[in-house]
Formats: sequence, C-alpha cells, structure tokens
Amino acid sequence: DTAVSQTPKYLVTQMGNDKSIKCEQNLGHDTMYWYKQDSKKFLKIMFSYNNKELIINETVPNRFSPKSPDKAHLNLHINSLELGDSAVYFCASSAGEGSGELFFGEGSRLTVL
Amino acid sequence: AQKITQTQPGMFVQEKEAVTLDCTYDTSDPSYGLFWYKQPSSGEMIFLIYQGSYDQQNATEGRYSLNFQKARKSANLVISASQLGDSAMYFCAMREGYTGGFKTIFGAGTRLFVKA
Repeated sequence: DTAVSQTPKYLVTQMGNDKSIKCEQNLGHDTMYWYKQDSKKFLKIMFSYNNKELIINETVPNRFSPKSPDKAHLNLHINSLELGDSAVYFCASSAGEGSGELFFGEGSRLTVL
Repeated sequence: AQKITQTQPGMFVQEKEAVTLDCTYDTSDPSYGLFWYKQPSSGEMIFLIYQGSYDQQNATEGRYSLNFQKARKSANLVISASQLGDSAMYFCAMREGYTGGFKTIFGAGTRLFVKA
C-alpha cells in the first residue's frame, strides 16, 4: 500500500485548460502539503492543510485552489493553465504541523503546451 | 533572502569513499528542525535523516550522519562508504515556525555522482 499516492502521475494539456491533481495518504497524518518542483529542481511550498484547515498559502496565484475534503485527502485544482505552471507537483504529509519528516507522493508531472 | 544554502550544485565521489554535502541555514527561531532528503533519477523524495535544534548529539542513520554545527548554522550531510546507488539529488531542508504555524523549506539541492 502506497503511503502517499497522487494521481495522475503525468498530465499533458493545453494552455488555458483546467486540471486537477488528487492526493491521498493512509498514514493517519494530520497535515498535508503541496510543493512545486520547477525545471531546476527547486522545491517550493505552495499550500499546507492541517486537519482540513488551510494554514499555509504561499502567495500562489489564485488560479490554484486546494481542497481538503478530509484529513486524508488534499486535491489541487488549477484553472487557466499557463506555460509557467509546467512542473512536478508533489503532495506530502506529516504527522503534525510541527513534527516529523515529510512523506512525499511520487509526484505529478504537469506539462502545459 | 535564501534561508537554506547548498553551495555545491554538483559533487563527484569515488565509490567506497566518504563525501560531505554542505548546507547552511538561516533562522531566528530557537526551535527548528533540519532534514536531508534524497531524490534519485526516478523522481521520488526519500527522507534520510533529521536533526532537531536542541539535539545535543549529531544524528546518524546507517551510512548517513549529520554534522550539526549550531553556532555556524550548518548541517552538513556525510555519506560514508559511497555506493553507486547514492547517485542522486540531495536536498537540505529546514522546518521553522512562522506566524500561523510551521513550514518546511528546501535548499536548491546538490547533485551527487558516485564513480565506479
């Protein structure tokens, strides 16, 4: 059983489209995150949720909208995709907001044409 | 301002030798955590080792050890007896508090090449 799973693993889409990435963790963790890894491998935090509550929003354009229906799930919806959104998006979880290491999903590679 | 600095974009090491990957950090929070993650070419992020700011001893996990120099704000990763499978990107990360909670931020990474 994969601890943190993301779908889809690959997304190729046209500029202007809307897409979603789903994430689920079966670790019983309270906190979930979205990170963006750009083409230079730089990892930047986007959002963090603790028990379904948004606690970090790192000045991400409002075209990005996270949703956490329950503490085991954190989805990312992106509207009006732009070329610069091409990246690998990682979902991660941790036992608590201030504790433990991050457990990462496998990443979702988004390519915007 | 850069909070986590990894000054070595790329490093080479001979198989079976030890290698040190540098990491310096900047924080005014007295309570923080330092982490190292490995990202092989397959893309997944693998947790390696953790050091808390109040830990007196350097963390060790198998062939990985963290050389924690608090006054210098450095948290270098030492990999002993390098193996070919150690070839990967290595990221230093710091969890610190901020208004509203905690967040983990990452350095730019060091790509390690292990030569046979």
